[in-house]
Amino acid sequence: KQEVTQIPAALSVPEGENLVLNCSFTDSAIYNLQWFRQDPGKGLTSLLLIQSSQREQTSGRLNASLDKSSGRSTLYIAASQPGDSATYLCAVGSGTYKYIFGTGTRLKVLA
Amino acid sequence: NAGVTQTPKFRVLKTGQSMTLLCAQDMNHEYMYWYRQDPGMGLRLIHYSVGEGTTAKGEVPDGYNVSRLKKQNFLLGLESAAPSQTSVYFCASRPTGKDYEQYFGPGTRLTVT
Repeated sequence: KQEVTQIPAALSVPEGENLVLNCSFTDSAIYNLQWFRQDPGKGLTSLLLIQSSQREQTSGRLNASLDKSSGRSTLYIAASQPGDSATYLCAVGSGTYKYIFGTGTRLKVLA
Repeated sequence: NAGVTQTPKFRVLKTGQSMTLLCAQDMNHEYMYWYRQDPGMGLRLIHYSVGEGTTAKGEVPDGYNVSRLKKQNFLLGLESAAPSQTSVYFCASRPTGKDYEQYFGPGTRLTVT
């Protein structure tokens, strides 16, 4: 059974710092992996999707990497800003249809 | 495009009452999903559909039923609500294929007293 873990559960950094969020999964046979952002009381906004055959994807200040053999994905945020404060969730495509979510990392960027 | 919409946004039920949550998408997506989000638990899949007229169970299907009579709509029903079903419910949709992301609705906050 696929299990997805995100550590740390919460993170507080000063503005301008580069940071890395981690996502670990137990079964390397994944379909794809998606990173989301969730603001308090809101829905999920997709940030990046990495297919199982890809190693990384980039969008602006965000870079997501995937290492299936070690069961890890990282989300790198460059030059963090207070507006980046949110909860970041990873979702592992397990089989063709289903997604298993991690419990998220709550990020606070201090001005 | 409105994307994925959910109705209602908030609801309070008494134990034993029934209700239906509506999810609608205007992107012609084949796949649709219902999740619940609880503190400390992340999102858990309740039911999903891979096309009009199809439904399948996810991780936590007990106490819920679903229907997908039209491609654009996915309904989640609670026949006899219980306090354990207090949660935030999210609907999502996506096209077929590995390249495509899930798109989420804004959520429905349900409280069962």
